[in-house]
Amino acid sequence: GAGVSQSPSNKVTEKGKDVELRCDPISGHTALYWYRQSLGQGLEFLIYFQGNSAPDKSGLPSDRFSAERTGGSVSTLTIQRTQQEDSAVYLCASSLTGDVGYTFGSGTRLTVV
Amino acid sequence: GQSLEQPSEVTAVEGAIVQINCTYQTSGFYGLSWYQQHDGGAPTFLSYNALDGLEETGRFSSFLSRSDSYGYLLLQELQMKDSASYFCAVRDSGSSASKIIFGSGTRLSIRP
Repeated sequence: GAGVSQSPSNKVTEKGKDVELRCDPISGHTALYWYRQSLGQGLEFLIYFQGNSAPDKSGLPSDRFSAERTGGSVSTLTIQRTQQEDSAVYLCASSLTGDVGYTFGSGTRLTVV
Repeated sequence: GQSLEQPSEVTAVEGAIVQINCTYQTSGFYGLSWYQQHDGGAPTFLSYNALDGLEETGRFSSFLSRSDSYGYLLLQELQMKDSASYFCAVRDSGSSASKIIFGSGTRLSIRP
């Protein structure tokens, strides 16, 4: 596609439920990031995929968070047993080479009630 | 660890010039990037400096001094639409395969 697509755009879930967030990067982009942004705050790094290399998972806040990238394209971020502090906007970004100029998706606004 | 510091808020007048500073600490260095984010929107890439000096793109310029671990974003002829948050970002090591870390962002407010 022309840009990075994320779905759903909004998600309201009950505390304790699992959620899956999807990211469709720009076709051919080898690098893919997930960030989390709370209201009025900066971007918190979660996980980084680069080509066929093992992902950098050092930003995942707990073992309730996991992410996959299938076939070097679509990525899914899964949050198990959601907590209220997980409420935030989850942003995905991709880049052709991983160097510069990342393109961000519009994000998924997750609200845990 | 790696860290970036930038002012939390800056206010300027329409038509004026404003500079947003960023200092960083990293174990290596692979370039400084700037992103703009409007309220409710996604960050968009503005500029990238890998070498010392000034890079100009229209009304926006970005500067880097690697010896000072310092850079800035310069916005000229400010327009109301420039009201947004601006983030500096660096890789956390000297490797192109390492993750990108963002600063906390500078909220730019422009007055008529």
